[in-house]
Amino acid sequence: SQTIHQWPATLVQPVGSPLSLECTVEGTSNPNLYWYRQAAGRGLQLLFYSVGIGQISSEVPQNLSASRPQDRQFILSSKKLLLSDSGFYLCAWSWGRGGGNTIYFGEGSWLTVV
Amino acid sequence: EDQVTQSPEALRLQEGESSSLNCSYTVSGLRGLFWYRQDPGKGPEFLFTLYSAGEEKEKERLKATLTKKESFLHITAPKPEDSATYLCAVWRETSGSRLTFGEGTQLTVNP
Repeated sequence: SQTIHQWPATLVQPVGSPLSLECTVEGTSNPNLYWYRQAAGRGLQLLFYSVGIGQISSEVPQNLSASRPQDRQFILSSKKLLLSDSGFYLCAWSWGRGGGNTIYFGEGSWLTVV
Repeated sequence: EDQVTQSPEALRLQEGESSSLNCSYTVSGLRGLFWYRQDPGKGPEFLFTLYSAGEEKEKERLKATLTKKESFLHITAPKPEDSATYLCAVWRETSGSRLTFGEGTQLTVNP
């Protein structure tokens, strides 16, 4: 069966510091990978998605970036965090091309920028 | 632009009191509607996918239905463990692998 791991689970970072969140998927190959952000009490905002190694699509202009160095690894980064970057970050995956396939989420990472 | 609106924002029920959550959408060319359950501090958990108007799916005390403009998540005789935020999301053919999510309904079931 497929599993998705995301870390760290919680972090507190000062404004202007860098960020690196990592996500790996096990039990499948060539998945679609996603980074979502969820502000408190709000819905999910798609930040980045990837259909293959090195292929990244950005949905929202911001100071975040994503990379996919390996087939099942997805990394969310920032060089300098802003207060507004605080939130709940979710990595997710789906299988297949063309859309309409179920997206499965990791447990999330809580980021507080102070 | 795709729009997904969930109502109510919050709902409190007594154990055993059945009710429905609504997800209305404005999407050109809907190809799928998804329901998720999210517990506090956790990632969303997949519940159902509905692909065409008239389709229904059930899982334990939950039943999801779909029309051309909205979807309902019916909760029959809920229990406290059904307390969670329920999210719906839509997919249209031209959006690739991307889903558009609603803001969610926070359900609390009191014993």
